[in-house]
Amino acid sequence: EAQVTQNPRYLITVTGKKLTVTCSQNMNHEYMSWYRQDPGLGLRQIYYSMNVEVTDKGDVPEGYKVSRKEKRNFPLILESPSPNQTSLYFCASSSLGRGRNNQPQHFGDGTRLSIL
Amino acid sequence: AQTVTQSQPEMSVQEAETVTLSCTYDTSESDYYLFWYKQPPSRQMILVIRQEAYKQQNATENRFSVNFQKAAKSFSLKISDSQLGDAAMYFCAYRSAVGTYKYIFGTGTRLKVLA
Repeated sequence: EAQVTQNPRYLITVTGKKLTVTCSQNMNHEYMSWYRQDPGLGLRQIYYSMNVEVTDKGDVPEGYKVSRKEKRNFPLILESPSPNQTSLYFCASSSLGRGRNNQPQHFGDGTRLSIL
Repeated sequence: AQTVTQSQPEMSVQEAETVTLSCTYDTSESDYYLFWYKQPPSRQMILVIRQEAYKQQNATENRFSVNFQKAAKSFSLKISDSQLGDAAMYFCAYRSAVGTYKYIFGTGTRLKVLA
């Protein structure tokens, strides 16, 4: 079954304690992306990657790190989490398509992070 | 920079009726993609419909259709014969067709379906 898997689904932690949210896809997609969703703000892109070892900042990259060492994995790292990073996080992936053949994103089920 | 605006935080529709959700966007680009995503209470993100800017014909998917007005930078979603399962948060999104693969999402419209 084609899917994007995020772990954990829920996490409550404390300020300053490093954490990693994993994201894995089994569709051989080149493109992967992280978003955060906050009430009244919709989804905002944090980072995205168009292939292995290629990452770019989205609109809200501050306080986050990512890496793309393998095509299937795109972990989101919070080196020193703060309460303003409490949010619902989504990972997504898609193939890049060719020319105007745009491919839609497949989303994971989300990770609810609470930073106390 | 591109922006996406959804001016209706919440909408209601009677079951079996038709409802239209509004979305406007701002861009200086001529080639791009537009999307509508649905997020039910399960919080999954589900693609409802997409539109390529170079296509003049409005996209349709069963009961869902869009009214794409490129000059006005408007991309509304029409849901016909509304069903209880349509109740969800709906997000409009934009992505450039060239260069950056950044996605820009609107703030969402919560749709309630009344029995």
